[in-house]
Amino acid sequence: DAKTTQPTSMDCAEGRAANLPCNHSTISGNEYVYWYRQIHSQGPQYIIHGLKNNETNEMASLIITEDRKSSTLILPHATLRDTAVYYCIVRPYNNNDMRFGAGTRLTVKP
Amino acid sequence: DSGVTQTPKHLITATGQRVTLRCSPRSGDLSVYWYQQSLDQGLQFLIQYYNGEERAKGNILERFSAQQFPDLHSELNLSSLELGDSALYFCASSVGQHSGANVLTFGAGSRLTVL
Repeated sequence: DAKTTQPTSMDCAEGRAANLPCNHSTISGNEYVYWYRQIHSQGPQYIIHGLKNNETNEMASLIITEDRKSSTLILPHATLRDTAVYYCIVRPYNNNDMRFGAGTRLTVKP
Repeated sequence: DSGVTQTPKHLITATGQRVTLRCSPRSGDLSVYWYQQSLDQGLQFLIQYYNGEERAKGNILERFSAQQFPDLHSELNLSSLELGDSALYFCASSVGQHSGANVLTFGAGSRLTVL
């Protein structure tokens, strides 16, 4: 399984875009990139996922490099409620065990 | 409210005891996943069931067991409890059996404290 590397922590100013990077240089062709987040002690929440094309939904955008070795999650206008731990996960589409790493602790500041 | 219901929310017990955590998945979801989150271990995948059958097993101790019932609710049984079992236990559910192909919806968790 591909391993992911994320910064331990990041800060972002409220109202600005938050760009969270993730390196997954050993990603295989059948593996997708998933992003979940966990707001303090709550259950994790799905954000977005993608294979090779950029994806956008009401929560965020996912930018995957052409070689698929890294990706960036973009929260376009961060709010204080976006303060959370963000997990980047690389798994095959048909896997049964979504496994979480250490993630990036994003702090949105006023 | 995510639609995934976990009970109890909090549980305090002593070492050596046995507890059962319960999870009711979102309506229509057939898969249930259990995760353990302790301060020093992060979020650890334990086990997954799909429509009553075990589909994947992670770092689940032999002292722990789980099952999914015909009405699709699931129970996680923790026995011979140790101090290190103190953690948040999360249940998640999804429509299909593949966690990659389906969004996982998590419950609010059950906080277990072993004294």
